[in-house]
Amino acid sequence: QLQLQESGPGLVKPSETLSLTCNISGGSVSSSSYYWGWVRQPPGKGLEWIGNIYYNGASRYSPPLRSRVTLGVDTSKNQFTLRLTSVTVADTAVYYCARVLVRTVALDYWGQGTLVTVAP
Amino acid sequence: SYELTQPPSVSVSPGQTARITCSGDTLPTQYAFWYQQKPGRAPVLIIDSDKKRPSGIPERFSGSSSTTTVTLTISAVQAEDEADYYCQSTDDTGSFVVFGGGTRLSVL
Repeated sequence: QLQLQESGPGLVKPSETLSLTCNISGGSVSSSSYYWGWVRQPPGKGLEWIGNIYYNGASRYSPPLRSRVTLGVDTSKNQFTLRLTSVTVADTAVYYCARVLVRTVALDYWGQGTLVTVAP
Repeated sequence: SYELTQPPSVSVSPGQTARITCSGDTLPTQYAFWYQQKPGRAPVLIIDSDKKRPSGIPERFSGSSSTTTVTLTISAVQAEDEADYYCQSTDDTGSFVVFGGGTRLSVL
């Protein structure tokens, strides 16, 4: 059974960089059948897609976030990463990692999510 | 930018049928997906590719599509179905993911 687990700091200061890692167990980041994605959810609000990355490093980013986001893949550690620069309080959210089917772009497995708060 | 539009809330009584709609211009050519999210939990995929039910999802959940609108139907609603429901699709290139704003289903 695939499991995804987000990890990283729960508190980030304004203007700094948010960095999260998603560790994959029960599956391989190198599979050609899946992208690996990030979604966030501000408190009390809806889901916002951040971006997807393929095992070869090919990526797609949400247009509003494109200038601040970088996704990465580490096949040796079976994990993928999110970097979001120049954060503000508006970036406070629960961040989820997810597996994305290449065939349909459905997000079929999700991590439990991790709350990242941006505050001084 | 591409958008999907959902009603903010839907209310039904137990045993009734709930219908949640999602509208978007590229839905005639791009698949739609539905997710259920309960408080404090991650979303769960409940409808894949407009109408397919993933393994383990109860048969009372079904999906349909008609031109620019897709619909999630929950038959014989149970109290445990009270949750937020999100539709998801992509832009017309299939490259960029978009979520609807979400619909809160209340079971009265």
